[in-house]
Amino acid sequence: EVQLVESGGGLVQPGRSLKLSCAASGFTFSDYYMAWVRQAPTKGLEWVASIPHIGGSTYYRDSVKGRFTISRDDAKSTLYLQMDSLRSEDTATYYCTRDDYGYYFDYWGQGVMVTVSS
Amino acid sequence: DTVLTQSPALAVSPGERVSISCRASEGVNVYMHWYQQKPGQQPKFLIYKASNLASGVPARFSGSGSGTDFTLTIDPVEADDTAIYFCQQNWNDPRTFGGGTKLELK
Repeated sequence: EVQLVESGGGLVQPGRSLKLSCAASGFTFSDYYMAWVRQAPTKGLEWVASIPHIGGSTYYRDSVKGRFTISRDDAKSTLYLQMDSLRSEDTATYYCTRDDYGYYFDYWGQGVMVTVSS
Repeated sequence: DTVLTQSPALAVSPGERVSISCRASEGVNVYMHWYQQKPGQQPKFLIYKASNLASGVPARFSGSGSGTDFTLTIDPVEADDTAIYFCQQNWNDPRTFGGGTKLELK
Protein backbone atom coordinates (compact mmCIF):
# COMPACT_ATOMS: atom_id res chain seq x y z
CA GLU A 1 0.00 0.00 0.00
CA VAL A 2 1.36 3.39 -1.01
CA GLN A 3 1.80 5.72 1.95
CA LEU A 4 2.99 9.32 2.00
CA VAL A 5 3.43 10.95 5.42
CA GLU A 6 4.24 14.64 5.66
CA SER A 7 5.82 16.43 8.59
CA GLY A 8 7.41 19.75 9.46
CA GLY A 9 4.48 22.15 9.19
CA GLY A 10 3.57 24.84 11.67
CA LEU A 11 3.25 28.53 12.37
CA VAL A 12 6.07 30.74 11.04
CA GLN A 13 6.58 34.49 10.74
CA PRO A 14 6.75 36.17 7.34
CA GLY A 15 10.25 36.11 5.90
CA ARG A 16 11.29 33.03 7.88
CA SER A 17 11.96 29.49 6.67
CA LEU A 18 10.42 26.05 7.10
CA LYS A 19 11.32 22.62 5.75
CA LEU A 20 8.70 19.99 4.99
CA SER A 21 9.45 16.28 4.76
CA CYS A 22 7.50 13.43 3.24
CA ALA A 23 8.28 9.80 4.08
CA ALA A 24 7.20 7.44 1.31
CA SER A 25 6.56 3.71 1.46
CA GLY A 26 4.80 0.98 -0.47
CA PHE A 27 6.47 1.65 -3.82
CA THR A 28 9.95 2.03 -5.30
CA PHE A 29 10.49 5.71 -4.50
CA SER A 30 13.45 6.13 -6.84
CA ASP A 31 11.31 5.13 -9.86
CA TYR A 32 8.88 8.04 -9.59
CA TYR A 33 8.58 11.75 -10.00
CA MET A 34 7.34 13.41 -6.81
CA ALA A 35 5.60 16.73 -6.24
CA TRP A 36 4.14 19.14 -3.71
CA VAL A 37 0.63 20.49 -4.18
CA ARG A 38 -0.92 23.04 -1.82
CA GLN A 39 -4.41 24.13 -0.88
CA ALA A 40 -5.06 27.46 0.82
CA PRO A 41 -7.88 27.43 3.40
CA THR A 42 -11.25 26.91 1.67
CA LYS A 43 -9.54 27.30 -1.70
CA GLY A 44 -8.65 25.08 -4.62
CA LEU A 45 -5.52 23.10 -5.37
CA GLU A 46 -2.27 24.55 -6.68
CA TRP A 47 0.78 22.69 -7.98
CA VAL A 48 3.93 23.97 -6.25
CA ALA A 49 6.97 21.97 -7.39
CA SER A 50 8.03 18.68 -8.94
CA ILE A 51 11.21 16.63 -9.06
CA PRO A 52 11.89 13.83 -11.55
CA HIS A 53 13.14 10.43 -10.53
CA ILE A 54 16.43 10.90 -12.39
CA GLY A 55 18.54 13.87 -13.36
CA GLY A 56 18.98 17.24 -11.70
CA SER A 57 15.96 19.08 -13.06
CA THR A 58 13.36 20.56 -10.75
CA TYR A 59 10.23 22.50 -11.62
CA TYR A 60 8.42 25.28 -9.74
CA ARG A 61 5.45 27.52 -10.11
CA ASP A 62 6.47 31.11 -10.74
CA SER A 63 5.30 32.43 -7.36
CA VAL A 64 7.73 30.19 -5.44
CA LYS A 65 10.74 30.21 -7.80
CA GLY A 66 13.85 31.36 -5.97
CA ARG A 67 12.21 30.87 -2.55
CA PHE A 68 11.31 27.15 -2.44
CA THR A 69 13.59 24.18 -3.13
CA ILE A 70 12.32 20.66 -3.75
CA SER A 71 14.73 17.79 -3.17
CA ARG A 72 14.73 14.07 -2.54
CA ASP A 73 16.78 11.41 -0.78
CA ASP A 74 16.14 8.14 -2.58
CA ALA A 75 18.10 6.15 0.01
CA LYS A 76 15.65 7.33 2.66
CA SER A 77 12.57 7.37 0.36
CA THR A 78 11.98 10.93 1.50
CA LEU A 79 10.88 14.07 -0.31
CA TYR A 80 11.60 17.57 0.98
CA LEU A 81 10.43 21.12 0.44
CA GLN A 82 12.65 23.89 1.77
CA MET A 83 10.60 27.05 1.99
CA ASP A 84 12.45 30.35 2.47
CA SER A 85 11.27 33.98 2.57
CA LEU A 86 7.77 32.80 3.41
CA ARG A 87 4.83 35.08 2.70
CA SER A 88 1.28 35.18 4.05
CA GLU A 89 0.04 33.90 0.68
CA ASP A 90 2.02 30.68 1.22
CA THR A 91 -0.37 29.75 4.02
CA ALA A 92 -1.91 26.43 2.99
CA THR A 93 -2.07 22.72 3.54
CA TYR A 94 0.84 21.18 1.66
CA TYR A 95 0.34 17.74 0.16
CA CYS A 96 3.11 15.39 -0.84
CA THR A 97 2.10 13.57 -4.00
CA ARG A 98 3.40 10.89 -6.29
CA ASP A 99 3.64 12.54 -9.67
CA ASP A 100 3.03 10.24 -12.64
CA TYR A 101 5.81 11.46 -14.91
CA GLY A 102 4.52 15.00 -14.91
CA TYR A 103 0.98 14.10 -15.89
CA TYR A 104 -1.20 13.60 -12.80
CA PHE A 105 -0.92 13.05 -9.05
CA ASP A 106 -1.95 9.51 -8.28
CA TYR A 107 -1.27 9.26 -4.55
CA TRP A 108 -1.54 11.98 -1.89
CA GLY A 109 -0.40 12.29 1.69
CA GLN A 110 -2.75 13.50 4.41
CA GLY A 111 -1.27 16.99 4.20
CA VAL A 112 0.57 19.30 6.57
CA MET A 113 -0.55 22.81 7.49
CA VAL A 114 1.76 25.78 7.06
CA THR A 115 0.62 29.11 8.50
CA VAL A 116 2.62 32.24 7.75
CA SER A 117 1.64 35.00 10.15
CA SER A 118 3.18 37.47 12.55
CA ASP B 1 -1.80 29.89 -17.28
CA THR B 2 -4.62 27.64 -18.47
CA VAL B 3 -7.74 28.44 -16.47
CA LEU B 4 -10.09 25.53 -15.74
CA THR B 5 -13.66 26.60 -14.98
CA GLN B 6 -16.04 24.39 -13.01
CA SER B 7 -19.56 25.03 -11.72
CA PRO B 8 -19.35 25.79 -7.98
CA ALA B 9 -21.98 23.32 -6.77
CA LEU B 10 -24.52 20.69 -7.72
CA ALA B 11 -27.23 18.89 -5.75
CA VAL B 12 -28.63 15.54 -6.81
CA SER B 13 -30.61 12.69 -5.27
CA PRO B 14 -29.09 9.25 -4.66
CA GLY B 15 -29.60 6.96 -7.64
CA GLU B 16 -29.56 9.80 -10.16
CA ARG B 17 -26.95 10.54 -12.79
CA VAL B 18 -24.80 13.65 -12.43
CA SER B 19 -22.43 15.32 -14.88
CA ILE B 20 -19.73 17.68 -13.63
CA SER B 21 -18.18 19.92 -16.24
CA CYS B 22 -14.73 21.43 -16.64
CA ARG B 23 -13.95 23.98 -19.34
CA ALA B 24 -10.38 24.94 -20.23
CA SER B 25 -9.41 28.42 -21.41
CA GLU B 26 -7.25 26.80 -24.11
CA GLY B 27 -6.99 23.33 -25.59
CA VAL B 28 -5.49 20.59 -23.46
CA ASN B 29 -5.88 17.67 -25.91
CA VAL B 30 -7.05 14.77 -23.70
CA TYR B 31 -4.72 15.60 -20.83
CA MET B 32 -7.41 16.25 -18.25
CA HIS B 33 -7.55 14.36 -14.97
CA TRP B 34 -10.08 14.25 -12.11
CA TYR B 35 -9.89 14.05 -8.33
CA GLN B 36 -12.37 13.64 -5.47
CA GLN B 37 -11.87 15.37 -2.12
CA LYS B 38 -14.15 14.40 0.75
CA PRO B 39 -14.48 16.73 3.75
CA GLY B 40 -11.35 16.74 5.89
CA GLN B 41 -9.47 14.37 3.59
CA GLN B 42 -6.77 14.57 0.96
CA PRO B 43 -7.74 14.43 -2.72
CA LYS B 44 -8.15 11.02 -4.31
CA PHE B 45 -7.22 10.33 -7.91
CA LEU B 46 -10.20 9.22 -10.04
CA ILE B 47 -9.66 9.54 -13.79
CA TYR B 48 -6.69 10.17 -16.06
CA LYS B 49 -6.42 11.37 -19.63
CA ALA B 50 -10.06 12.35 -19.80
CA SER B 51 -11.66 8.90 -19.74
CA ASN B 52 -9.46 6.32 -18.02
CA LEU B 53 -10.49 5.08 -14.59
CA ALA B 54 -7.77 4.97 -11.94
CA SER B 55 -7.16 1.70 -10.17
CA GLY B 56 -9.86 0.81 -7.64
CA VAL B 57 -12.31 3.51 -8.73
CA PRO B 58 -15.88 2.20 -9.11
CA ALA B 59 -17.26 1.88 -12.64
CA ARG B 60 -20.03 4.32 -11.63
CA PHE B 61 -17.49 7.02 -12.43
CA SER B 62 -16.65 7.86 -16.03
CA GLY B 63 -15.06 10.72 -17.93
CA SER B 64 -15.24 12.18 -21.40
CA GLY B 65 -14.09 15.10 -23.48
CA SER B 66 -11.20 16.54 -25.42
CA GLY B 67 -9.87 19.95 -26.36
CA THR B 68 -11.53 22.42 -24.01
CA ASP B 69 -14.65 20.68 -22.69
CA PHE B 70 -14.62 17.76 -20.28
CA THR B 71 -17.18 15.93 -18.17
CA LEU B 72 -17.04 13.69 -15.13
CA THR B 73 -20.16 11.55 -14.83
CA ILE B 74 -21.34 9.58 -11.81
CA ASP B 75 -24.15 7.09 -12.49
CA PRO B 76 -25.76 6.19 -10.21
CA VAL B 77 -24.80 8.67 -7.47
CA GLU B 78 -24.44 7.25 -3.96
CA ALA B 79 -24.53 9.05 -0.61
CA ASP B 80 -20.77 8.45 -0.20
CA ASP B 81 -20.08 10.56 -3.31
CA THR B 82 -20.60 13.79 -1.37
CA ALA B 83 -17.34 15.61 -2.07
CA ILE B 84 -15.62 18.32 -4.07
CA TYR B 85 -14.47 17.25 -7.52
CA PHE B 86 -11.47 18.90 -9.16
CA CYS B 87 -10.20 18.73 -12.72
CA GLN B 88 -6.50 19.19 -13.58
CA GLN B 89 -4.61 19.60 -16.87
CA ASN B 90 -0.99 18.94 -17.73
CA TRP B 91 -0.96 19.82 -21.46
CA ASN B 92 0.09 23.41 -20.83
CA ASP B 93 2.66 24.60 -18.29
CA PRO B 94 2.14 25.09 -15.45
CA ARG B 95 -0.23 22.31 -14.48
CA THR B 96 -3.45 23.85 -13.20
CA PHE B 97 -6.53 22.74 -11.34
CA GLY B 98 -10.13 23.82 -11.60
CA GLY B 99 -11.77 25.58 -8.68
CA GLY B 100 -13.76 22.47 -7.81
CA THR B 101 -17.43 21.46 -7.93
CA LYS B 102 -19.09 20.67 -4.62
CA LEU B 103 -21.48 17.77 -5.02
CA GLU B 104 -24.23 17.58 -2.43
CA LEU B 105 -26.88 14.92 -2.08
CA LYS B 106 -30.50 15.85 -1.52
